[in-house]
Amino acid sequence: KQEVTQIPAALSVPEGENLVLNCSFTDSAIYNLQWFRQDPGKGLTSLLLIQSSQREQTSGRLNASLDKSSGRSTLYIAASQPGDSATYLCAPENTGNQFYFGTGTSLTVIP
Amino acid sequence: NAGVTQTPKFQVLKTGQSMTLQCAQDMNHEYMSWYRQDPGMGLRLIHYSVGAGITDQGEVPNGYNVSRSTTEDFPLRLLSAAPSQTSVYFCASSYSSQPNNSPLHFGNGTRLTVT
Repeated sequence: KQEVTQIPAALSVPEGENLVLNCSFTDSAIYNLQWFRQDPGKGLTSLLLIQSSQREQTSGRLNASLDKSSGRSTLYIAASQPGDSATYLCAPENTGNQFYFGTGTSLTVIP
Repeated sequence: NAGVTQTPKFQVLKTGQSMTLQCAQDMNHEYMSWYRQDPGMGLRLIHYSVGAGITDQGEVPNGYNVSRSTTEDFPLRLLSAAPSQTSVYFCASSYSSQPNNSPLHFGNGTRLTVT
């Protein structure tokens, strides 16, 4: 069974900082990995999807990298803003449409 | 587009009662799934479907039933509610059932309390 770990569990930074969120997974036989954002009381919103053959994906101020062989992914957020405050979750997809989620990193960006 | 719609938003049940959580999507998505989210445990897959008439079990299927009679709807049935089923339930869908990189779209969740 895939085990997903996200470090740190919580992070508080001043506005404008660049930051990195980490995701590690135990089973490297994945098809892809998605990063999500979850706001309190809401569902998850997909931010980036990295295919297993890719090394990174970018969307605006977000950049996600994937090192499948070592079981690691990082989400880089540039020039953080208060609106980035949320919980960020990663989810690799394994065989049979099985997505496994980490418990997330709770991010607070202080104005 | 409404996206993924879940009803109800909140529900309180007594132990032993049954109920159905509704999920509908209007994006013609092939793949639909149900997750539960519990503090400290992340989201866990309950059941999923790769198309109308096809369902399969996820990581934590016990105590839940699903059916997929149409592409749009994927209801989750609790047969006899137990306090251990107190959780937030999310429905998610994606365009393709193939693992070829379709983002998951989530509903806003149903918060269920079983007393």
